[in-house]
Amino acid sequence: SQQGEEDPQALSIQEGENATMNCSYKTSINNLQWYRQNSGRGLVHLILIRSNEREKHSGRLRVTLDTSKKSSSLLITASRAADTASYFCATDGSSNTGKLIFGQGTTLQVKP
Amino acid sequence: DAGVTQSPTHLIKTRGQQVTLRCSPKSGHDTVSWYQQALGQGPQFIFQYYEEEERQRGNFPDRFSGHQFPNYSSELNVNALLLGDSALYLCASSFSGGWQPQHFGDGTRLSIL
Repeated sequence: SQQGEEDPQALSIQEGENATMNCSYKTSINNLQWYRQNSGRGLVHLILIRSNEREKHSGRLRVTLDTSKKSSSLLITASRAADTASYFCATDGSSNTGKLIFGQGTTLQVKP
Repeated sequence: DAGVTQSPTHLIKTRGQQVTLRCSPKSGHDTVSWYQQALGQGPQFIFQYYEEEERQRGNFPDRFSGHQFPNYSSELNVNALLLGDSALYLCASSFSGGWQPQHFGDGTRLSIL
């Protein structure tokens, strides 16, 4: 079963704008990860945030984590057409064994 | 350095048939996980192999089975195929020593007629 919901399911923005997508999960976690999937391709790991962290940055990506609300958000700043993809959050439950539980994803379209 | 490779890329089968999908992990990785991704959904964990044994299993019936070979490559077998088995099957590899992100292949698109 899916871990939770991602919001919105679809997002369409213009190049240069910021994109924010949210993820909720159900169980306690050790960490939460975000992955990107281009159409017809596999998933690419973007960033990991540990349960004791509240915010993390990587290039144009900013991830926040609120364990009290069991939610996370991914912000992509100054978006580019190449950012067009589906974005998934994934958690390991509390097992830390590599079994990932994915959300349903947000489909992002960045228009040039 | 080759990443995770999966074969075949596409496969068409009919109900009741059996299928075998193959995965070669990224160099240096010893753990392989398999996921099923239905259209428009997130991947769902099928099982994970380490040291040639199934280490974890998701909520999938026994029709789904796997194997890991001494060179760390892996196979996913599905018997008695159902229409609902149509999906993208993703293989992911990682290294067991300390946390590292999983590396995914581009998947096998399985269509059941």
